[in-house]
Amino acid sequence: GAVVSQHPSRVICKSGTSVKIECRSLDFQATTMFWYRQFPKKSLMLMATSNEGSKATYEQGVEKDKFLINHASLTLSTLTVTSAHPEDSSFYICSARAGAWSVLAGGTDTQYFGPGTRLTVL
Amino acid sequence: EDQVTQSPEALRLQEGESSSLNCSYTVSGLRGLFWYRQDPGKGPEFLFTLYSAGEEKEKERLKATLTKKESFLHITAPKPEDSATYLCAVQAYSGNTPLVFGKGTRLSVIA
Repeated sequence: GAVVSQHPSRVICKSGTSVKIECRSLDFQATTMFWYRQFPKKSLMLMATSNEGSKATYEQGVEKDKFLINHASLTLSTLTVTSAHPEDSSFYICSARAGAWSVLAGGTDTQYFGPGTRLTVL
Repeated sequence: EDQVTQSPEALRLQEGESSSLNCSYTVSGLRGLFWYRQDPGKGPEFLFTLYSAGEEKEKERLKATLTKKESFLHITAPKPEDSATYLCAVQAYSGNTPLVFGKGTRLSVIA
């Protein structure tokens, strides 16, 4: 099955520092990747949608200068939390969706999720 | 506005006690309905995609069905390892839209 990896799985940083989280689709090309945030016992909250080679589309209320997203290739997207503060502590999850070509090839456009990154800002 | 409502919020079953989880949806043209399983501290794990009313899919003790208004996830003779949060999501047919998720059903299976 399709595999999405995230790195790191856990990060602890000091307030004011920046943290980069990587999301990779390991065995398929993802034209679209999504970044979510999840609070304890709550559902997923979509932060932004990124398409390879273009600027990310952010959901209402998500600061694009705070959460920088780069989708540099068909298998890699990064989320950088700039000048992190304790309120940014959360569980961040990425997901990847294969392009339309996979549908035509008999595949699906299912969204596959990474294992998540636990960010703690002290 | 596309919406997904899951019920119940939480479900506690004895091992072997079959039951169903419900996912009601409203969407402007359904491209696909997705079921995921999420364990604490992990990302959602893909289970099923359903595309049209009447479609059914099975995997081990799980069976997903779809009508024009809702989907059911049937769990037959559950085991403690089936304990997790089950998430339902829909994708509309208009462009490369993100999934709209329900809040999930937290399932606990007691031995």
